[in-house]
Amino acid sequence: AQKVTQAQTEISVVEKEDVTLDCVYETRDTTYYLFWYKQPPSGELVFLIRRNSFDEQNEISGRYSWNFQKSTSSFNFTITASQVVDSAVYFCALSETTSGTYKYIFGTGTRLKVLA
Amino acid sequence: DAMVIQNPRYQVTQFGKPVTLSCSQTLNHNVMYWYQQKSSQAPKLLFHYYDKDFNNEADTPDNFQSRRPNTSFCFLDIRSPGLGDAAMYLCATSREATGASGSTDTQYFGPGTRLTVL
Repeated sequence: AQKVTQAQTEISVVEKEDVTLDCVYETRDTTYYLFWYKQPPSGELVFLIRRNSFDEQNEISGRYSWNFQKSTSSFNFTITASQVVDSAVYFCALSETTSGTYKYIFGTGTRLKVLA
Repeated sequence: DAMVIQNPRYQVTQFGKPVTLSCSQTLNHNVMYWYQQKSSQAPKLLFHYYDKDFNNEADTPDNFQSRRPNTSFCFLDIRSPGLGDAAMYLCATSREATGASGSTDTQYFGPGTRLTVL
C-alpha cells in the first residue's frame, strides 16, 4: 500500500540555521508524483514543488532545495538560512497515476519552528 | 490573481444544525476536492468532483454531502454536525485528476474554513 512517512513531528531551529525535513514514501508503482506543501498558521496549504518519479535531479528554488533519491525512496526538503517566516507545518504527499488513482497520500507533517 | 476562495473563514454552528461551507475558484479547473483536517493531523479527503461526476470516499460519513452547481463553485453540506465534526475544511482544485501530462494533477488549496460546533 502507498504510504508517506514524515518521522520528524517537530523541529526547532534558530534563525539562519539550515534544516532538512525528511520524507520517505512507499509505493509499488513506477510512475508517481511527490509533492511538498507548506501550511502556515493561517491554515492554507501552499504548493511548493511537484516531482515525478522519472526525474531524480535535485531542485533548488532560492533558499529551498529538494533531494529526491529513488534508491532510498526519499524526497527530503532543505531550507537554507532559515527565517522566522518559514515557521509552518510542512506536508509531503504522494500521488500515483498508473493505477488511475488521483488521491494524495499525505504524510503526517513536520512542524518547523524557527526562533529569532 | 487566479485563486481558490473559501467562505466563510470561520463558521460557528450548533450541534445538529445544518451548515454549508462554500468554495469558489477562478482557475477554471475540472476537479474540486473537499478535505477535513483536524488538529495536528494531515488533511483527509472527503470527496471530489471531476467536472459533474461526484466521487465519494468510502469512509466519508453520510452526514457530509456536496454540490457542484457549476465549474466555479462547490459546496460542502453537513446535515447534522456533531462535536466530532469540528475541524478545518479545505477546498482544493486541480486541472485534471491524474498526472498523465505536465503538472495537471497539482492541487491548489483555499485558505480553509474553520468550523466550530457548540
